[in-house]
Amino acid sequence: GQNIDQPTEMTATEGAIVQINCTYQTSGFNGLFWYQQHAGEAPTFLSYNVLDGLEEKGRFSSFLSRSKGYSYLLLKELQMKDSASYLCAARGAGGYQKVTFGTGTKLQVIP
Amino acid sequence: DAGVIQSPRHEVTEMGQEVTLRCKPISGHNSLFWYRQTMMRGLELLIYFNNNVPIDDSGMPEDRFSAKMPNASFSTLKIQPSEPRDSAVYFCASSRAGPHTEAFFGQGTRLTVV
Repeated sequence: GQNIDQPTEMTATEGAIVQINCTYQTSGFNGLFWYQQHAGEAPTFLSYNVLDGLEEKGRFSSFLSRSKGYSYLLLKELQMKDSASYLCAARGAGGYQKVTFGTGTKLQVIP
Repeated sequence: DAGVIQSPRHEVTEMGQEVTLRCKPISGHNSLFWYRQTMMRGLELLIYFNNNVPIDDSGMPEDRFSAKMPNASFSTLKIQPSEPRDSAVYFCASSRAGPHTEAFFGQGTRLTVV
């Protein structure tokens, strides 16, 4: 089975940096995703890590440590529009595409 | 591409009624997923298909739920009979084959069972 843990809520200040952590336990592993979900909308893809290390994409970066079962999403220069839920998701091993999501971290950006 | 299309966007039904949710995946995607999202449980995978074949339905809560994918461009999720605890947002998502592909989500169907 798969188990994914991330904080329920976080608050950060506009212009600051925030790190959202995720730990996972899977029966096999083939990649870690981060999605953003604004209230009332669908999740949208942010990043994907399959190898250890940091992937940078503009203001957002994602890190993975496979040996520790750990990932984080780093958001820099926070903007009010970054207020959303951030979902960590792990893909199991094998030839198919099963992805299991965590319950998400609700981030509130304050002025 | 229009993205993943779900219908209806909102559904209000009475307990005991049959509910059918529909999904059209992105053309060329061969994996399709049905998720349910609630405040308490987050985003739960119900079932997923690969090349129209159901691969894993272990997330389907009980026999009242069923899903079909008769062809590559259409899938349904049916609840019969519906119960108030089925109230949630149901998302359909699709992805291409391959090890580094993300899922694209539809806008969801908000189901309310009264």
